[in-house]
Amino acid sequence: EAGVTQFPSHSVIEKGQTVTLRCDPISGHDNLYWYRRVMGKEIKFLLHFVKESKQDESGMPNNRFLAERTGGTYSTLKVQPAELEDSGVYFCASSPVDGWEQYFGPGTRLTVT
Amino acid sequence: EDKVVQSPLSLVVHEGDTVTLNCSYEVTNFRSLLWYKQEKKAPTFLFMLTSSGIEKKSGRLSSILDKKELFSILNITATQTGDSAVYLCAVEGYGQNFVFGPGTRLSVLP
Repeated sequence: EAGVTQFPSHSVIEKGQTVTLRCDPISGHDNLYWYRRVMGKEIKFLLHFVKESKQDESGMPNNRFLAERTGGTYSTLKVQPAELEDSGVYFCASSPVDGWEQYFGPGTRLTVT
Repeated sequence: EDKVVQSPLSLVVHEGDTVTLNCSYEVTNFRSLLWYKQEKKAPTFLFMLTSSGIEKKSGRLSSILDKKELFSILNITATQTGDSAVYLCAVEGYGQNFVFGPGTRLSVLP
């Protein structure tokens, strides 16, 4: 069974540019989560999709971040325009509708210069 | 292929019990192993281990790493109902890639 995949694995962009991160959850998982690790070791929640609906987006830092999950399958997280403080590792996780465990993807490392 | 395995996947204990959670890994160019506690939203950082044999402690929680045998354990003594959560192990490897384990779901009954 394929796990959660994320693309790209690493992205380097200049301040002011736009970047789109993609997450493909495990097939059939209704729940999809975005997290990011900015500095140090803490991982911060960004938002939670249930199918194509945003269940909780309380962790989205500001309106430069836009997440979508068209059709309830893969999700994208767009940062526009990117700022230096957006650098970090962005993780995606998915879980089945009645499951407790979240399966994490490998993360996308975003570097804004 | 890099992988992280945790055991057990699920554990039910009573308050006051001591539990040991296991994490074994195969990750290219190991850099660090991290333990997280996940209750509702984002995982909460517990420990980061980089050196073998050095125990890290925080209250009732402690953890140690064995880089020769490629595993780590997380101990929780005198468990409380508030310890109920999913405990995630993540290993950081080459190029700072991250591999998460599936987690251990701990349920502490009163």
